[in-house]
Amino acid sequence: SYVLTQPPSVSVAPGQTATITCGGNNIGDKSVHWYRQKPGQAPVLVVYHDNDRPSGIPERFSGSSSGNTATLTISRVEAGDEADYHCQVWDSNRDRILFGEGTNLTVL
Amino acid sequence: EVQLLESGGGLVQPGGSLRLSCAASGFAFRSFGMSWVRQAPGKGLEWVSTISGSGGKTDYADSMKGRFSVSRDNSGDTLSLQMRSLRAEDTAVYYCARDNWGCTKGVCYHYFDYWGQGSLVTVAS
Repeated sequence: SYVLTQPPSVSVAPGQTATITCGGNNIGDKSVHWYRQKPGQAPVLVVYHDNDRPSGIPERFSGSSSGNTATLTISRVEAGDEADYHCQVWDSNRDRILFGEGTNLTVL
Repeated sequence: EVQLLESGGGLVQPGGSLRLSCAASGFAFRSFGMSWVRQAPGKGLEWVSTISGSGGKTDYADSMKGRFSVSRDNSGDTLSLQMRSLRAEDTAVYYCARDNWGCTKGVCYHYFDYWGQGSLVTVAS
């Protein structure tokens, strides 16, 4: 069955660039979406359709997807970006919505 | 302003039942599919169920099929999730979310642009 693989944690210093990956078989052929979730809060959509941003999400958030890896990039990281980040796709073969296990971003 | 407000969570014994509701406002409810997504303590997000805008199509994750039932009342802008035969592993925060779905250039998608605050369901004796 289709599986999305994310690193459990990523650490980055303020002002640097954070890269969070989401691995899946030929994920570049799918539409990938990303959510940010701070402790005790509901998820928030930050990137959809691989690289589109909802209104209100800073341009520092961008995405890409090719081959077997999708990537969420956060430029000029701020302390407020510290959160869990989840990738998500639609598994058309089994008619189900899939999430990755989430990546905890720590700002050093 | 889009708002989704869940209710109905609580403590239930294994084998019991519970019904969650989600009151929607600020958008044309009947025009959007809606989904339930859950999150067990300390775990990632898990899709539970989706219902189309008309209510005519429903989908469930394999582990919920036959136990959970999603429905909607478009006249009252309310989404519901009836949960039966609950197990300890169903303990989670349950979120309702507005579901954007479609197909572009042969690639189909679902994504969630608005979420409720979540409702905690605890299955324990």
